[in-house]
Amino acid sequence: AQKVTQAQTEISVVEKEDVTLDCVYETRDTTYYLFWYKQPPSGELVFLIRRNSFDEQNEISGRYSWNFQKSTSSFNFTITASQVVDSAVYFCALRPGVSTGNQFYFGTGTSLTVIP
Amino acid sequence: DGGITQSPKYLFRKEGQNVTLSCEQNLNHDAMYWYRQDPGQGLRLIYYSQIVNDFQKGDIAEGYSVSREKKESFPLTVTSAQKNPTAFYLCASGLGTGSTDTQYFGPGTRLTVL
Repeated sequence: AQKVTQAQTEISVVEKEDVTLDCVYETRDTTYYLFWYKQPPSGELVFLIRRNSFDEQNEISGRYSWNFQKSTSSFNFTITASQVVDSAVYFCALRPGVSTGNQFYFGTGTSLTVIP
Repeated sequence: DGGITQSPKYLFRKEGQNVTLSCEQNLNHDAMYWYRQDPGQGLRLIYYSQIVNDFQKGDIAEGYSVSREKKESFPLTVTSAQKNPTAFYLCASGLGTGSTDTQYFGPGTRLTVL
């Protein structure tokens, strides 16, 4: 089965606080890809990062960082020193390598509100 | 500019009418996708196409139809058979294969049935 779970439905933080968004995935494929997308109030999903299953190095991009752990099937996303512009819904997604063609599986999203 | 366009941004439909949502991309992507998003829910796949003149049903294809006559275009028709069509519809495109495959999204169409 292919599945992505984002257990945190809504999170509120005060500006400048750090926040971590959790993502747990399920797949039997040995090759797969994980993604994070941001959906601001305008509605368009904005691609943030792609990670393949063979690369467990953590990645940092400015205030954003991602922690990929195959042992726990997690791909968590941390925003450091949050800003009001970070307020959005964030989706984690899984693309299995071969078992289901090119289909992506999305979590239900985490709505982040950053309070000024 | 390269990207994905969807039109219209807002669409109102009377019950019993078919409506067609437009999706165009100039990214030279082979694959295109249609998703439906309901409030507080994730994205659910309606249809996808990996190549011109071919498409497959996703998880919730009933009441929808698509065509892929051109690489750049993947219109979605919401038919009267769709019982609850009010939702936000997102179109995406991608390479479709390979380790660099990523789906890129359009701005969406918000459909409301009156």
